[in-house]
Amino acid sequence: AQSVTQLDSHVSVSEGTPVLLRCNYSSSYSPSLFWYVQHPNKGLQLLLKYTSAATLVKGINGFEAEFKKSETSFHLTKPSAHMSDAAEYFCVVRPTGGGNKLTFGTGTQLKVEL
Amino acid sequence: ETGVTQTPRHLVMGMTNKKSLKCEQHLGHNAMYWYKQSAKKPLELMFVYSLEERVENNSVPSRFSPECPNSSHLFLHLHTLQPEDSALYLCASSQADRAGGYTFGSGTRLTVV
Repeated sequence: AQSVTQLDSHVSVSEGTPVLLRCNYSSSYSPSLFWYVQHPNKGLQLLLKYTSAATLVKGINGFEAEFKKSETSFHLTKPSAHMSDAAEYFCVVRPTGGGNKLTFGTGTQLKVEL
Repeated sequence: ETGVTQTPRHLVMGMTNKKSLKCEQHLGHNAMYWYKQSAKKPLELMFVYSLEERVENNSVPSRFSPECPNSSHLFLHLHTLQPEDSALYLCASSQADRAGGYTFGSGTRLTVV
């Protein structure tokens, strides 16, 4: 069985300050992990993915995430927030080897203030 | 565009209507999915097609009927819906049994009146 927990339902930051969106997972096997972003009235866009290669993963728009097996975490970070980063972010886990079962977190709404 | 196209973008229908949502992917993927996204709720997986066969049906009411005529196209046929079926319906595709993520379409915003 696998699960993913996004620890914050809402995060608010000022423009130009760092972003940290937290995600913890549990999985019986070595998982693949993803972060998706959803802007209002849009579909989900893949930000980055971890698939058992380098533990520090760089994604689009300056985001990155670090896979920490000992902490079962995959937190999403960005050094400097931009107004366009305001959106909902989903942490997702998929079992190693693929399979058709993605497990989604409940999402974190990121607000960026001037 | 992500490579997964959903039409229509918006749909308003009465409870006695019959309508269909369409999804098309040009990524060469062999698995396609329907998800329902309601306000304040987690994403719900509705149906999975892998190699054009339905491999998962998550206790979805029979008023939702999927169809996958080939690996590039996926439909969701709707009839006698209820107001609580109003939601964003997302289609996704992937390469089955590979470790990569899904590619999502932009969704169809459905309102049942």
